[in-house]
Amino acid sequence: GAVVSQHPSRVICKSGTSVKIECRSLDFQATTMFWYRQFPKQSLMLMATSNEGSKATYEQGVEKDKFLINHASLTLSTLTVTSAHPEDSSFYICSARDSRNQPQHFGDGTRLSIL
Amino acid sequence: AQKITQTQPGMFVQEKEAVTLDCTYDTSDPSYGLFWYKQPSSGEMIFLIYQGSYDQQNATEGRYSLNFQKARKSANLVISASQLGDSAMYFCAMREAFRNDYKLSFGAGTTVTVRA
Repeated sequence: GAVVSQHPSRVICKSGTSVKIECRSLDFQATTMFWYRQFPKQSLMLMATSNEGSKATYEQGVEKDKFLINHASLTLSTLTVTSAHPEDSSFYICSARDSRNQPQHFGDGTRLSIL
Repeated sequence: AQKITQTQPGMFVQEKEAVTLDCTYDTSDPSYGLFWYKQPSSGEMIFLIYQGSYDQQNATEGRYSLNFQKARKSANLVISASQLGDSAMYFCAMREAFRNDYKLSFGAGTTVTVRA
């Protein structure tokens, strides 16, 4: 089955640091990748949609300059949390699909803790 | 308006018993799909079952079955013969073809705890 690898699985860093999270599709070409944020015991909130080779589309209320998304190839998308602060601490999870009507395949998520 | 509603924040179920998780949805898109995912405490999203809006029969996958009632806009998940490993958070999600460009909308989730 389709596999999506997300790295790192956990990161703890100091306030003010920028953190990069990678999302890779291992055995298919991901024309579209999605980034979600999840608070404890809550649902997944879509942050942005990225299509290979074009700018990401952000959901309302998500700061583009805070959460930089790059989808430079058909197998890799990155989310960079810039100048992270404690309120950015959360679980971030990516998903990928190869075409519009195909299922999304999820990575295992990244637990980000900002001290 | 909420597209996906899961009204049960948490449920307890006895091992080996069946449990039904409720999900209602709201869409005017004629073409949509309904998904159930399991999220254990480790965080990964595990796909369980899918039902397409045009599917005539209810979807089944092993111990999971989806009770699809289109007129009522409900897509309840039934887990039969519960196991301790079924303890997790369960999300219902919908994908709309035309109104939301095939993106997923998730419900609030239901936490299931299986007791021995």
